[in-house]
Amino acid sequence: DTEVTQTPKHLVMGMTNKKSLKCEQHMGHRAMYWYKQKAKKPPELMFVYSYEKLSINESVPSRFSPECPNSSLLNLHLHALQPEDSALYLCASSQEPGLTYEQYFGPGTRLTVT
Amino acid sequence: AQRVTQPEKLLSVFKGAPVELKCNYSYSGSPELFWYVQYSRQRLQLLLRHISRESIKGFTADLNKGETSFHLKKPFAQEEDSAMYYCALRNQGGKLIFGQGTELSVKP
Repeated sequence: DTEVTQTPKHLVMGMTNKKSLKCEQHMGHRAMYWYKQKAKKPPELMFVYSYEKLSINESVPSRFSPECPNSSLLNLHLHALQPEDSALYLCASSQEPGLTYEQYFGPGTRLTVT
Repeated sequence: AQRVTQPEKLLSVFKGAPVELKCNYSYSGSPELFWYVQYSRQRLQLLLRHISRESIKGFTADLNKGETSFHLKKPFAQEEDSAMYYCALRNQGGKLIFGQGTELSVKP
């Protein structure tokens, strides 16, 4: 399995809802990433997990809460989001963090906050 | 400052014409540079990296440290090349820094 999968593909949530995005890879990668991408803009890094530990938080608001339950799974818990949080959320993984390894991207979850 | 600049937001060429997507970077150190491509409704995928010096789908890119550039070139554009292209720099911490992207449109 050489893919990063993300569920759900689309998510619509209200500002008072709590939801979670899920990312999975079975390539044995030890680094996993969350990015946010607005339309026709580059991905912006949010979080990096390295060996299941949070290693980078790019000053992301606390309404976004990442979790790495095991080496294959990465979740992003969402609570009390704002309409401006509507975007494509991308997950990526790489064999190792911080070295010359390619990042493999998932297809993304398109989030709409109403 | 660590920065990647893609000066063209949109580049439109005819099929069979040469294409060059510009990328300039600012980084104090030895940069690791990449080109990513995002076709419509598809995932972001790696196209090229400077260390491998390979040609993928007819595209090449050469790192020019003197001009701090990593332009992407293809001698004969195809319609299926139409996509969003991002130049990216990886810093020593492993973080990917993306340019703003260039939308390439290849007309028949």
